[in-house]
Amino acid sequence: NAGVTQTPKFQVLKTGQSMTLQCAQDMNHNSMYWYRQDPGMGLRLIYYSASEGTTDKGEVPNGYNVSRLNKREFSLRLESAAPSQTSVYFCASSPGGEPTEAFFGQGTRLTVV
Amino acid sequence: GEDVEQSLFLSVREGDSSVINCTYTDSSSTYLYWYKQEPGAGLQLLTYIFSNMDMKQDQRLTVLLNKKDKHLSLRIADTQTGDSAIYFCAETYSTLTFGKGTMLLVSP
Repeated sequence: NAGVTQTPKFQVLKTGQSMTLQCAQDMNHNSMYWYRQDPGMGLRLIYYSASEGTTDKGEVPNGYNVSRLNKREFSLRLESAAPSQTSVYFCASSPGGEPTEAFFGQGTRLTVV
Repeated sequence: GEDVEQSLFLSVREGDSSVINCTYTDSSSTYLYWYKQEPGAGLQLLTYIFSNMDMKQDQRLTVLLNKKDKHLSLRIADTQTGDSAIYFCAETYSTLTFGKGTMLLVSP
């Protein structure tokens, strides 16, 4: 089992460019999440999907959109990248319910110049 | 709103015990969690405790929960250099909410 796979691992964008971060899990989990990690800020939730067909905003959703394509895949789109979106992005999944045993991908390091 | 607070840094010597502390605000959290992040990697679940418990032990890890004070701690016995990482406390407030993380540095 690969677990949670994120692509790409690294990306440099120019301000105003768009891109989609891909995430797939092979654990048949119901819930999926996108977090961003910034120095001194910990992990902040951008969007989550409690189950296939639903998405909800987290703490910092502005500038992002998401798509729960199917049960396996949850993508994060930056429509017009800004330097403030320079961060490390983590996708995670969990079976659903509690306890929330979340499994994380390796992260995407995004730099917006 | 939810908020999880942790001290940012802890330095110990190999073989000592490490204690990482956390305070949280949401008294309705059913479970509280400790996650570990090694350099360049995603987070991995270390352990969790049900809110009705005071203590949970798992090999070298001991979790203490003081629900009255909303205080959670993680004790690592016989700390090794391989335990050097960032440790995150988390609670479930609608979704998983993390503290800012405590960087543990273990020196030989």
